[in-house]
Amino acid sequence: AQSVTQLGSHVSVSEGALVLLRCNYSSSVPPYLFWYVQYPNQGLQLLLKYTSAATLVKGINGFEAEFKKSETSFHLTKPSAHMSDAAEYFCAVSSYNAGNMLTFGGGTRLMVKP
Amino acid sequence: DSGVTQTPKHLITATGQRVTLRCSPRSGDLSVYWYQQSLDQGLQFLIQYYNGEERAKGNILERFSAQQFPDLHSELNLSSLELGDSALYFCASSPLSGVANEQFFGPGTRLTVL
Repeated sequence: AQSVTQLGSHVSVSEGALVLLRCNYSSSVPPYLFWYVQYPNQGLQLLLKYTSAATLVKGINGFEAEFKKSETSFHLTKPSAHMSDAAEYFCAVSSYNAGNMLTFGGGTRLMVKP
Repeated sequence: DSGVTQTPKHLITATGQRVTLRCSPRSGDLSVYWYQQSLDQGLQFLIQYYNGEERAKGNILERFSAQQFPDLHSELNLSSLELGDSALYFCASSPLSGVANEQFFGPGTRLTVL
């Protein structure tokens, strides 16, 4: 079985501050990991994905995430938050022993204060 | 715009009724996935079709069914609707059926059961 835990359902940062959204996964086989962003009244958009190549993955809009096997983590970071980053962020995992399904975490709503 | 279209955008119906949600994948994508997003359950994978055949099944109720047609569009049928079925239903598509494939999400259909 696979699962994802996102610590913090709500995170608030000031504009220009570091963004850190936490994701821990559980998988009995090597995982593939994804971060998606959902803006209000829209579908999900892929930010970045880890597929067993480089452990530091760079995505769109200045986001990046680091895969740490020893910590079973895949935290999402951005050095400097913009107002436009306010959205809900979902971490997801897939693996060969779970078919092709994505298992999502509960989501983290990021709020950016001016 | 992901290239995935879903109709209708909103659907309001009564308990006990049956509805059909439609999804057109991105041009050339063979896989279609259905997800349900609700406040209490979060984002849950329902079912996947690949080139017309069911490929993976998640937490899909027996009252729900889906199919993918020869032109690759897909329909999700929800019957004997209950209040708890009120949710946002997303369709996603990907070119193939592998675990590392990025899934492109449509804007969703918001179902309200009264």
